Amino acid sequence: DADVTQTPRNRITKTGKRIMLECSQTKGHDRMYWYRQDPGLGLRLIYYSFDVKDINKGEISDGYSVSRQAQAKFSLSLESAIPNQTALYFCATSEQGWGYNEQFFGPGTRLTVL
Amino acid sequence: TQLLEQSPQFLSIQEGENLTVYCNSSSVFSSLQWYRQEPGEGPVLLVTVVTGGEVKKLKRLTFQFGDARKDSSLHITAAQPGDTGLYLCADMGINDMRFGAGTRLTVKP
Repeated sequence: DADVTQTPRNRITKTGKRIMLECSQTKGHDRMYWYRQDPGLGLRLIYYSFDVKDINKGEISDGYSVSRQAQAKFSLSLESAIPNQTALYFCATSEQGWGYNEQFFGPGTRLTVL
Repeated sequence: TQLLEQSPQFLSIQEGENLTVYCNSSSVFSSLQWYRQEPGEGPVLLVTVVTGGEVKKLKRLTFQFGDARKDSSLHITAAQPGDTGLYLCADMGINDMRFGAGTRLTVKP
């Protein structure tokens, strides 16, 4: 079984709709991250969490919110989706400690906003 | 704001050829990681380098970190079709994680 899972894997929605993407991990890691990937732009950090209830903004947090109610789960919400939020979204986890701990990525969620 | 530039953006070669891809930063890396991403999957870590001038080898892959810790290269010897993928460099700080846009490598049989 995969250590980091994301649901759904694909989602098509309309402008203005509220969307939630879920991430679950069985690695026992404290740190979790949400990234989006766009062609030519690489991965950009949206939010990250170092522990339950700990939330930190990343490079591009506007238009997104997150929730970390349990160590194993980190959800990303788009309160009112817009077309330029169409992208591939990845969740990742890492151990506590120095910043250069390996990040373990989920398989991604492809989101299309019409 | 730190900028990570990777070059080339695309690279298509024949099996057996050698290649080098580059990652350059506008500021000193906290620590540099190289990841490989295959279609439909998330990135997977290849290596972490921390010390300026460091060289690490992983089978046919050789990673070099510049003395000033602002640039890195990834050299692949005798490329194979299984090396095909998107190669990403990343700066992993304590509170800031930044990725380059990647080099998309295609190795033709």
